[in-house]
Amino acid sequence: AQKITQTQPGMFVQEKEAVTLDCTYDTSDPSYGLFWYKQPSSGEMIFLIYQGSYDQQNATEGRYSLNFQKARKSANLVISASQLGDSAMYFCAMREGPSSNTGKLIFGQGTTLQVKP
Amino acid sequence: AAGVIQSPRHLIKEKRETATLKCYPIPRHDTVYWYQQGPGQDPQFLISFYEKMQSDKGSIPDRFSAQQFSDYHSELNMSSLELGDSALYFCASSLGLANNEQFFGPGTRLTVL
Repeated sequence: AQKITQTQPGMFVQEKEAVTLDCTYDTSDPSYGLFWYKQPSSGEMIFLIYQGSYDQQNATEGRYSLNFQKARKSANLVISASQLGDSAMYFCAMREGPSSNTGKLIFGQGTTLQVKP
Repeated sequence: AAGVIQSPRHLIKEKRETATLKCYPIPRHDTVYWYQQGPGQDPQFLISFYEKMQSDKGSIPDRFSAQQFSDYHSELNMSSLELGDSALYFCASSLGLANNEQFFGPGTRLTVL
């Protein structure tokens, strides 16, 4: 069964510094996708970044980048130049590939990030 | 750009009542997912639809049912509500099942008293 683990319940970072949020996963499917979402206190789920298991390059979206280490089954999110507005809960999620005929996401427990001024 | 629309945004019900949550996916998206997020929890998959057919089912109670209509909007029907059903209910949509983008709506916050 697939599983997502986020081992950091809470993180602090100084404004303008970079921070890495950890995510490890477990799946037997060779084809899968990894997602990161941001959930501010208002509750909405904001899509940040996606990494496919066959992607050769690490995904980047503005200040967000995904440090994908396939052999270690990790997909850490790196946020550069943190801003106060980055304070939120961050979820890592995984979707198994087409072979499983489902697009559902399995989420990790989440990491609460606090950015200090 | 158009996003996923959910209504209502907030809902308060009494125990044993029924509730209907609605989801309007992003235009041209043919796949809808429903997730339930309890307080302090991660979202849990309930059910999904692809081209108006159920594509997968998760930990959805028998008291809940859902469907996707011809215009691709979806409704989650919840009956005999229990206190434990209080949660944030998300709908997400994508184009196809294995798409690399799954966009979430703002959620419906259901409170059962």
